[in-house]
Amino acid sequence: GAVVSQHPSRVICKSGTSVKIECRSLDFQATTMFWYRQFPKQSLMLMATSNEGSKATYEQGVEKDKFLINHASLTLSTLTVTSAHPEDSSFYICSARDSAGRINYGYTFGSGTRLTVV
Amino acid sequence: GNSVTQMEGPVTLSEEAFLTINCTYTATGYPSLFWYVQYPGEGLQLLLKATKADDKGSNKGFEATYRKETTSFHLEKGSVQVSDSAVYFCALSTLSGNTGKLIFGQGTTLQVKP
Repeated sequence: GAVVSQHPSRVICKSGTSVKIECRSLDFQATTMFWYRQFPKQSLMLMATSNEGSKATYEQGVEKDKFLINHASLTLSTLTVTSAHPEDSSFYICSARDSAGRINYGYTFGSGTRLTVV
Repeated sequence: GNSVTQMEGPVTLSEEAFLTINCTYTATGYPSLFWYVQYPGEGLQLLLKATKADDKGSNKGFEATYRKETTSFHLEKGSVQVSDSAVYFCALSTLSGNTGKLIFGQGTTLQVKP
């Protein structure tokens, strides 16, 4: 079946540094990928929609200069948390949408990245 | 706007008990409806889906029926197991703007005791 690989699964970084999270669709092409943030015991908050070859669309209240998204190919989107602060600590999850719309109506999720900023 | 509301948890059941997790939605048009499951420390896995009114999604003993008249998509299972302990999310997609982003409910934690 469809697989989305998200890397790293866990990362600890110092305050002020930047962290890059990768999301890859392994056996399908994804024109669109989604980035979510999840706080403990809470639901998933959509941060942005990543579109291959164009700028990401950010949800209201999400700082685009802080959360940089790049979707340079049909199988890879990256989220970079710039100048990270402890309040950025969270669980980040990506979702890839099959371009052909064949798999689960396109929503295959990565396993998530636990970011801890110290 | 579009939204999903789930019953608050946690829901604690004994093994082999009957499970119902309520989900209602508000949406314009005709959304697709989903149930996702999240095990501790992991991403989301699609459990089942329904794309039109009166459709029943089913998987691994779980079922949910798309009820347009009550705008509901309640999740049920006749006999839960300890391994079903997880967080369950109800979600909808309206395929707006051709991006098809998912809107999630707040999640319901299920704890099944032996």
